Amino acid sequence: RKEVEQDPGPFNVPEGATVAFNCTYSNSASQSFFWYRQDCRKEPKLLMSVYSSGNEDGRFTAQLNRASQYISLLIRDSKLSDSATYLCVVNPTNDYKLSFGAGTTVTVRA
Amino acid sequence: DAGITQSPRHKVTETGTPVTLRCHQTENHRYMYWYRQDPGHGLRLIHYSYGVKDTDKGEVSDGYSVSRSKTEDFLLTLESATSSQTSVYFCAISEVGTGGNQPQHFGDGTRLSIL
Repeated sequence: RKEVEQDPGPFNVPEGATVAFNCTYSNSASQSFFWYRQDCRKEPKLLMSVYSSGNEDGRFTAQLNRASQYISLLIRDSKLSDSATYLCVVNPTNDYKLSFGAGTTVTVRA
Repeated sequence: DAGITQSPRHKVTETGTPVTLRCHQTENHRYMYWYRQDPGHGLRLIHYSYGVKDTDKGEVSDGYSVSRSKTEDFLLTLESATSSQTSVYFCAISEVGTGGNQPQHFGDGTRLSIL
């Protein structure tokens, strides 16, 4: 079983829509969680850290569910510029090692 | 953006040749990492460094070596490149060892093709 699994999508949504997707992780001892976005042929960029209480950054909301071992990302009022691959990233051992999901692709259409 | 420069950005070479990729940072971060990214896979850690001359293996280290003689530079070497090492390589840095919600920041990547 992979340490981090994501639905690859693609999620095709119209501008203004809300889109949400999850990521599951296998190590219940995981301590840190992140969402990164990656544009085509570009480097991953940190979108937001995910805290136990959940957190929001503008139109983006991240949630952590430790009991079911998943994190979620919700994007409200989608913009064309939100089109990207979103990487779920987990730190399973609270040290140097990060485990990356293969990514969920979101395409926002006009 | 984090001050991370990878070179070269693109390289095409032949099987059996040595290849060295360079990562240079201006952030004075202690930790540096080399990843490869292939279709259908998440980023996979090749090697990492936790200080000058201090390095360790990641999950896909076979066929790769690294060196860090200065805080700002982390080199990845393919001693004898194989076609399976065709990939996009990313360097990343972090201030501490990614505990306690410390994220990593990535360079622009190197696209390496081994023919």
